[in-house]
Amino acid sequence: NAGVMQNPRHLVRRRGQEARLRCSPMKGHSHVYWYRQLPEEGLKFMVYLQKENIIDESGMPKERFSAEFPKEGPSILRIQQVVRGDSAAYFCASSPPRGQGKEAGTGELFFGEGSRLTVL
Amino acid sequence: LAKTTQPISMDSYEGQEVNITCSHNNIATNDYITWYQQFPSQGPRFIIQGYKTKVTNEVASLFIPADRKSSTLSLPRVSLSDTAVYYCLVGPNSGGYQKVTFGTGTKLQVIP
Repeated sequence: NAGVMQNPRHLVRRRGQEARLRCSPMKGHSHVYWYRQLPEEGLKFMVYLQKENIIDESGMPKERFSAEFPKEGPSILRIQQVVRGDSAAYFCASSPPRGQGKEAGTGELFFGEGSRLTVL
Repeated sequence: LAKTTQPISMDSYEGQEVNITCSHNNIATNDYITWYQQFPSQGPRFIIQGYKTKVTNEVASLFIPADRKSSTLSLPRVSLSDTAVYYCLVGPNSGGYQKVTFGTGTKLQVIP
């Protein structure tokens, strides 16, 4: 069972370009979360999605950032018109549906290895 | 969500037992205590979770006193590969929805 897959692992963009980060959750997981980590800081919650639904996007910046988790395919975090302050590691995590799987009892999150965005 | 406080960093020699304490004075009745480990350039990894008393697994032990206002993660006989950042999280065990901020964690450096 493959883990959470994120790509690209590294992405370089110039100011004003768009960045698209993709996340494929673990097989059987229907919950996806995106976190951002600035250097030497902890992870900050951005958004929580289920298939075709944004459940909680309270951690997302109001402008330029959007996320989706379509019925088919990976979840995508999109950053439009990137600025230098967007440079960070973006982590995706997934978890099984509520009440399913042994991990559901602990609420354990399974993280990908992250996508590191550098804005020049 | 209950706020947590943990040391910014710790050093330990190989083979020693390491105890990392987390304070969570405002923990709620339905809150659980969860610890994650993060290696450089990787995503966090779940280590252990508990509600009260003591929990032990193949990786660590978690000690929680009766008042639950703090908890201690214990790593037995650490090795160099245990060098990582350790995060203490407190929140409801909601079976999937974890809107939490990990904080800065405790950076553990294991010295040969």
